[in-house]
This record gives sequence, C-alpha cells and structure tokens, in this order.
Amino acid sequence: GQNIDQPTEMTATEGAIVQINCTYQTSGFNGLFWYQQHAGEAPTFLSYNVLDGLEEKGRFSSFLSRSKGYSYLLLKELQMKDSASYLCAVRDSNYQLIWGAGTKLIIKP
Amino acid sequence: TAGITQAPTSQILAAGRSMTLRCTQDMRHNAMYWYRQDLGLGLRLIHYSNTAGTTGKGEVPDGYSVSRANTDDFPLTLASAVPSQTSVYFCASSESSYNEQFFGPGTRLTVL
Repeated sequence: GQNIDQPTEMTATEGAIVQINCTYQTSGFNGLFWYQQHAGEAPTFLSYNVLDGLEEKGRFSSFLSRSKGYSYLLLKELQMKDSASYLCAVRDSNYQLIWGAGTKLIIKP
Repeated sequence: TAGITQAPTSQILAAGRSMTLRCTQDMRHNAMYWYRQDLGLGLRLIHYSNTAGTTGKGEVPDGYSVSRANTDDFPLTLASAVPSQTSVYFCASSESSYNEQFFGPGTRLTVL
C-alpha cells in the first residue's frame, strides 16, 4: 500500500526554527510537494522536490532523500501567521498525488 | 484573476438526494481534480481529468461522477447522497499532471 507519515501536531515558539518530517512509501516517485493550509482555507503550494537535497525559498526550506523515503520542511524565524497545517504529498507512478494527513503547527508567543 | 472557484460554499443535503458541486477555473489549466478532506485523513482523490474530454477515477470514486465538457468546468455529482459523503470537497487544477496544483476554496457538504 501507499503511505505518507507526518506528525499530527507540533508546537514551536515565535522566532524559533521548526522542522516537520515526512516519510513515505509509495508505488513510484515523481516528486514531493509541501502545502500550507490555514484552518478553514484551501491548501496553498509551498515547495517541490524531485532530486535529493535542499530547496530554499525565503524562510522555508525543503529537503529530500529519495533513498530514505524522507523529506522535511524547515521553517525559520517563525511568525504567528505560520500557525497552520502543513501537508506532505508524493506524486506516484501514475502522476497522482498521495497526501499525508498533515501536521498542525501551533506557534506560541 | 479569479483563479479557481467553487459553489456552493456549504450545503446541507438530505440523504438520497442528488447534488452537483461546481468548479470553474480561468487559468486555462489542462488538468483538474476533485478531493475530499476528512478530519485525521489526508486529501483523497475522487476523480481527475488530465484534459478536456477525459476523466479518470481516483482513490475513492464510488458514489461520485464527473464530466469535463470544456477546459474551464469540472462539476462533481453525487447521484444519491449518503451520510458518509459528509466532508469538505476541494477542486484543484494544474497546468498539467507534472505541475503543482492550485486549490479552490472548498465546499463543506453535510449529508443528513
């Protein structure tokens, strides 16, 4: 079967750094996506990794290791507006996205 | 630019009734998708369309049907709603199946 695992919830402090992990087992791999979803809103695209390594985009970075079936999303200089759910999704051999249940990130002042 | 819109925003539906959820995008994207999102579960793909005139089944297609008569519209129909179809439904589109997906605001459906 196909499986995407992420922690259910994490808490961090404003101004700090947090790393959200994602492990996956899928039928084929054609890229990994991270999305942000604020409560009651639609998911919005954050990052995409298809090759091993780190992709940096401002305060957000995403890392991929295909051999380990592992990715993480790194958020720096946390702001209160970063309180949201972060969704990991893998594009499988059929080019469809398989989604994790999401990690709810709570930022405390 | 509106992007991708969905209607209605929310709906309460009696079990056994039919309903069509509407989705329209103005980005001229080739691919469109319908997902449902339930608490504690990841987004699950219901149906998809890689280009106008074609559709395919996703992970959870039973009880749902779609059509793709043109590029912009991708309606989702529940022929005879059941309580287990209570969920938040998101429509998404992408330039192709190789690109990132953009999501509509969602429709919250309650089936009683």
